[in-house]
Amino acid sequence: EIVLTQSPATLSLSPGERATLSCRASQSVSSYLAWYQQKPGQAPRLLIYDASNRATGIPARFSGSGSGTDFTLTISSLEPEDFAVYYCQQRSNWPVTFGPGTKVDIK
Amino acid sequence: EVQLVQSGAEVKKPGESLKISCKGSGYSFTSYWIGWVRQMPGKGLEWMGIIYPGDSDTRYSPSFQGQVTISADKSISTAYLQWSSLKASDTAMYYCARARLPAAIDWFDPWGQGTLVTVSS
Repeated sequence: EIVLTQSPATLSLSPGERATLSCRASQSVSSYLAWYQQKPGQAPRLLIYDASNRATGIPARFSGSGSGTDFTLTISSLEPEDFAVYYCQQRSNWPVTFGPGTKVDIK
Repeated sequence: EVQLVQSGAEVKKPGESLKISCKGSGYSFTSYWIGWVRQMPGKGLEWMGIIYPGDSDTRYSPSFQGQVTISADKSISTAYLQWSSLKASDTAMYYCARARLPAAIDWFDPWGQGTLVTVSS
């Protein structure tokens, strides 16, 4: 099973700041990595798929990069609605797995 | 509009059985994989398994194999997650989600609203 590690566990930032979240895989997942956003009391929402493609309706301030084992989600300028938990997920190998999440909270 | 609507919250006792549902609408139900995800209180997301309603091909994550059963009734566009004997550790929010693309184990979007299952004596 591929293990995903996310860092940091918590990121405390102010609105307007840039957020950089990391996801590392225990073995190569090629570009088969996605990022999801989950707000309290809500279901997760797909943000980025295939490492760098924004899902439908996702604002351009969200971007993803990386391949192989190291991936990054960047939020260029945090909006109030972006404070949430972000999970990475791989589908290179079954079982698909999620990372433990990074919480982005307000500083 | 593509929608997944899950059944309501459940409160059960240990040892009881349970079947929760996820009804798809706004798309061809038989053409897209549906997955189930567990989220224990205050914890992260865990894939449980997926099913292709077109032919009922089902895959389970090793952690959940033998613990739950995933099924689908294509005549009513509904997928199910069931337990034969619940444990307190099954207390969690359960989400269903549809694959983004047809006939592919793709990324999952959209998601249902979640079903909260509470198991307590």
